[in-house]
Amino acid sequence: EPEVTQTPSHQVTQMGQEVILRCVPISNHLYFYWYRQILGQKVEFLVSFYNNEISEKSEIFDDQFSVERPDGSNFTLKIRSTKLEDSAMYFCASSGPSAGGPTGELFFGEGSRLTVL
Amino acid sequence: RKEVEQDPGPFNVPEGATVAFNCTYSNSASQSFFWYRQDCRKEPKLLMSVYSSGNEDGRFTAQLNRASQYISLLIRDSKLSDSATYLCVVNYGRGKLIFGQGTELSVKP
Repeated sequence: EPEVTQTPSHQVTQMGQEVILRCVPISNHLYFYWYRQILGQKVEFLVSFYNNEISEKSEIFDDQFSVERPDGSNFTLKIRSTKLEDSAMYFCASSGPSAGGPTGELFFGEGSRLTVL
Repeated sequence: RKEVEQDPGPFNVPEGATVAFNCTYSNSASQSFFWYRQDCRKEPKLLMSVYSSGNEDGRFTAQLNRASQYISLLIRDSKLSDSATYLCVVNYGRGKLIFGQGTELSVKP
C-alpha cells in the first residue's frame, strides 16, 4: 500500500538553528500538507500546497516557516531560527484527485518529532 | 463556538459496549467531514468519511446534521482494539483540516 514517508523520525536541535523536515508524498497525489501536534494537544493545520504554490496557510505558518517541492518527489518544511515552542510532532500529508483532492481523505506520514533545546 | 469541538473524554467502556461520540463545528461552509483515529504518538488515520445521509462501516456509524452543525460516531460491540483517540475532523476547503481535540476511548476486558 502506498504511503507517505517522512524523515527524520526524530530531530533534536538547539534554539535558533534551522531545521528541514522532509516528506515523500504518495506518488500520484497532487496536494500536500503539513500539520503539527504539540504533545498533549490537538493536530493543527500549518499549510497546504498545490501546483507548486501555497494554497492555504494558518496563522501559525508565519515567516519562520517555508515549504518547498524541490523535485518531483520531495516536499519539505523549513523552520528558521527554531524556538522552544516549535517542539512538536510534524505530520506531512497528501491527497489525490481520485479521493476527492483537497476535500477528500488525507494520508498522513508517521511524523517527524522535533525537539528544540 | 470553537471551530471543532468534541465531547470531553476519556470514555472507559467494557468490551461489547456501544459508545457514541459527538462533535460540533462552527463554519457552516465546511465542505467535508471525517472521523480519524489516532493511536498513542502515531499519525491520524482515516476511520470514515461522514456523509449527509449517514453512513455505516461494519460496527461504526457516522451521522451528519448540517443544520445543527453536528457530527456523531457510534461504535457498536466495542473491541479492545478500538482503544484510541477519535478525532472529529472538518475540511474547511483547500485541504485545511480542522481537528477537534479528540476523545480518548479505553475499552476494558
